[in-house]
Amino acid sequence: TQLLEQSPQFLSIQEGENLTVYCNSSSVFSSLQWYRQEPGEGPVLLVTVVTGGEVKKLKRLTFQFGDARKDSSLHITAAQPGDTGLYLCAGRILVGNEKLTFGTGTRLTIIP
Amino acid sequence: DAGITQSPRYKITETGRQVTLMCHQTWSHSYMFWYRQDLGHGLRLIYYSAAADITDKGEVPDGYVVSRSKTENFPLTLESATRSQTSVYFCASSEEGRADTQYFGPGTRLTVL
Repeated sequence: TQLLEQSPQFLSIQEGENLTVYCNSSSVFSSLQWYRQEPGEGPVLLVTVVTGGEVKKLKRLTFQFGDARKDSSLHITAAQPGDTGLYLCAGRILVGNEKLTFGTGTRLTIIP
Repeated sequence: DAGITQSPRYKITETGRQVTLMCHQTWSHSYMFWYRQDLGHGLRLIYYSAAADITDKGEVPDGYVVSRSKTENFPLTLESATRSQTSVYFCASSEEGRADTQYFGPGTRLTVL
């Protein structure tokens, strides 16, 4: 059973379009992270959200943590080819627990 | 360069052989982690370590052994490799109390024939 479900698994859109990726769970997380991974490389942290309802922006990327801290979304405005990659959400269930649980990922392709 | 490195980057071995994957970090981070990444499963935690000589099992530890005699190194050994251990292996590190921010190495692609 996957603790963190991401949807969609694959997404291919044209440059300039907007998109949203979702990360859902039945568990409550003390914090949730989004990573981006490019082929042949390790994941790189994009953002951490810790407060229910929190919204963080990173240029054209907007991250939101659900009010109940069970879900999160990543919205990209005016997608560019450089946004192509595997997006992973990860959550920490307990404060003081150093382990993260990762979702299965969304593979995003932006077509020029 | 400072950071987290893994070696080798690619490895092909045969069933039953022992294989050791190396991980080295230069930040003196307390925590280090080993994950495997497989299609349809995402990243799954194999073992982690809170400090030198302190290790603990993750989600999928069977068939793997770790050690951490020095803070900067965290080798992962497959004692008798099986085909199901074909995967991409990632090492990561984080500061104590900062598990939210893990830094990943570039990965080792292991193929077991």
